[in-house]
This record gives sequence, structure tokens and C-alpha cells, in this order.
Amino acid sequence: AQSVSQHNHHVILSEAASLELGCNYSYGGTVNLFWYVQYPGQHLQLLLKYFSGDPLVKGIKGFEAEFIKSKFSFNLRKPSVQWSDTAEYFCAARPGYSSASKIIFGSGTRLSIRP
Amino acid sequence: DTAVSQTPKYLVTQMGNDKSIKCEQNLGHDTMYWYKQDSKKFLKIMFSYNNKELIINETVPNRFSPKSPDKAHLNLHINSLELGDSAVYFCASSQSIQGDGGYTFGSGTRLTVV
Repeated sequence: AQSVSQHNHHVILSEAASLELGCNYSYGGTVNLFWYVQYPGQHLQLLLKYFSGDPLVKGIKGFEAEFIKSKFSFNLRKPSVQWSDTAEYFCAARPGYSSASKIIFGSGTRLSIRP
Repeated sequence: DTAVSQTPKYLVTQMGNDKSIKCEQNLGHDTMYWYKQDSKKFLKIMFSYNNKELIINETVPNRFSPKSPDKAHLNLHINSLELGDSAVYFCASSQSIQGDGGYTFGSGTRLTVV
């Protein structure tokens, strides 16, 4: 079955530390990939997306993600985190071959930043 | 202006009741969705409508009935509520059925069944 895996359930970092959150997907063909962020008590917001082209995607708030097709991965990175980055982060994927396919979300990674 | 708005934000009700959650988007998007987020933050799609037409219906109990009177609205009606229905329900929309550009989410409706 198609799935998205986020192996880190809870990551705790100090401010200014570098961040990398893992994401793997199980689709074999063309895939659209997304990272969403959910701040405490708020709705999901799109951080960045990959459809095609440059596998290194830059998003808002200094986040970036790299699509590595051979590893079926789309890890999220940020060189220096801030306390305000405390949130839940969701990786999501959608097969690109179907016009009606749905976005499937990973189980999320909670990021806690110590001030 | 809120792009995707859901009402109510909080809903506490007893088992067995029937309730509705409303969703409206002012983005001119063609496609709308309902997702359920459980207590472990896991997001699962329930339904998707494109231009008022149902296109995705996951294995959701038929106590859940979506209704789309026009492409800007997608409401969710739930009959005979059960404890396990407690969750946060998110409405979302996308420009097209392909979901290009990602989804825009509403702020969620926290449903608590007691």
C-alpha cells in the first residue's frame, strides 16, 4: 500500500541547532512531495513542495528539502532552528500519475525547541 | 479574509447525536477535502469533492455524509455520533483535482463526543 513514513516521532533541539527530519515514501513512479507545518493549535500550512526539476527545494522560513529518488526520501532541513519553529511537521506525498489521487500524510514529527 | 473557514471551531456533543460541520473556501478552488486528525496527530483523508462531485470516498462509516451545494462549500454531517469520532476534522481545498500547489487547510473543528 502507498504510504509515507516519518521515523522521528519527537525531536528536541536547542536554538541554533541544525535540523533534519526524515521522510520516506513508498510510491514507485512519479510523485509529488510536500512538507506541512502545524503550529500548536493551528491548521496545517504548506512549507514547501516538490513536483519536478531541481531536487533541492527551498521553502518558507528558511526550510529546504531534498528529493532523493534512489532513496525514496524527501528530508526536511533547516541550518539553524528558532524557538518559534516548535511545531508538528508532516511530510506528504501524492502519486503524480493519477488525476484524482489523494495526498497521503505521514504520521508527523513533533519538533520541540529549547530556548 | 480567511481562505478556508470551518465552523464551529469546537463541538462537544453526546453519543448518538447528529451534528454538522461547515466549510467554505473563497479561493476559487475546484476541489475540497475532509481530513480527520486523531489524537496521535495522524491525518487521514475522508472525502474529496471536485466541482460538487464526489471523487474520493475512503472507507468511512456511512454515518458520515458530505454535502457540496456548490464548489465553494463542503459540509460534513455525522449521524449517531460515537466516542471514536472524537478528533479534529480539517477541511482543505486545492486549485484543481491534481492538488497542484498543495492544499490550503482550514483551522480545524475539534469534535469531542462524550
